[in-house]
Amino acid sequence: NAGVTQTPKFRILKIGQSMTLQCTQDMNHNYMYWYRQDPGMGLKLIYYSVGAGITDKGEVPNGYNVSRSTTEDFPLRLELAAPSQTSVYFCASTLRPETNYGYTFGSGTRLTVV
Amino acid sequence: AQSVTQLDSHVSVSEGTPVLLRCNYSSSYSPSLFWYVQHPNKGLQLLLKYTSAATLVKGINGFEAEFKKSETSFHLTKPSAHMSDAAEYFCVVTLQTGANNLFFGTGTRLTVIP
Repeated sequence: NAGVTQTPKFRILKIGQSMTLQCTQDMNHNYMYWYRQDPGMGLKLIYYSVGAGITDKGEVPNGYNVSRSTTEDFPLRLELAAPSQTSVYFCASTLRPETNYGYTFGSGTRLTVV
Repeated sequence: AQSVTQLDSHVSVSEGTPVLLRCNYSSSYSPSLFWYVQHPNKGLQLLLKYTSAATLVKGINGFEAEFKKSETSFHLTKPSAHMSDAAEYFCVVTLQTGANNLFFGTGTRLTVIP
């Protein structure tokens, strides 16, 4: 099915470990986003990309890195995991953000750092 | 500046009774407005969107929302709640321009009592 696919769905990391959250979309969307969702809060933007090779910081980028080598993939890297990064991470994409097209979200990655 | 306020963090209704989830927005521009639903351990699903055409917007699963510019509101309603409606609901405002243009409310958790 077309959409945004995130892997893994769940992960437990120890403090200081690293990991990459994968995000792939097959809708040929140029715009892709990473959000984190903390309990009782809305989604906060970590990084976004307007196309292959172009990324930019969102509201909460510290502790994360991204790359966008292809239109389909937008991985999120955590280099030195900290308990404050315990959260649910959502990847999203859209064809054109300035229209009313809407965004497609992945099902999320639930990360716990212990 | 843009912002979204969801007036209730938690709403509880009995099955078969009406649902009202309130959302107020602030935007310097003509906004586009969305409601997303998130079921437990799932991603966000688009319920409906306001596209500056009809002010009463019908969405999936019997939900609808009315855009009231004078009140800067976009409340979500449903005539009769179903058990399957229990979820988290997010009101989202987006600007007409720019790649980083989604602003989320903090969410309203809907509980449906049998």
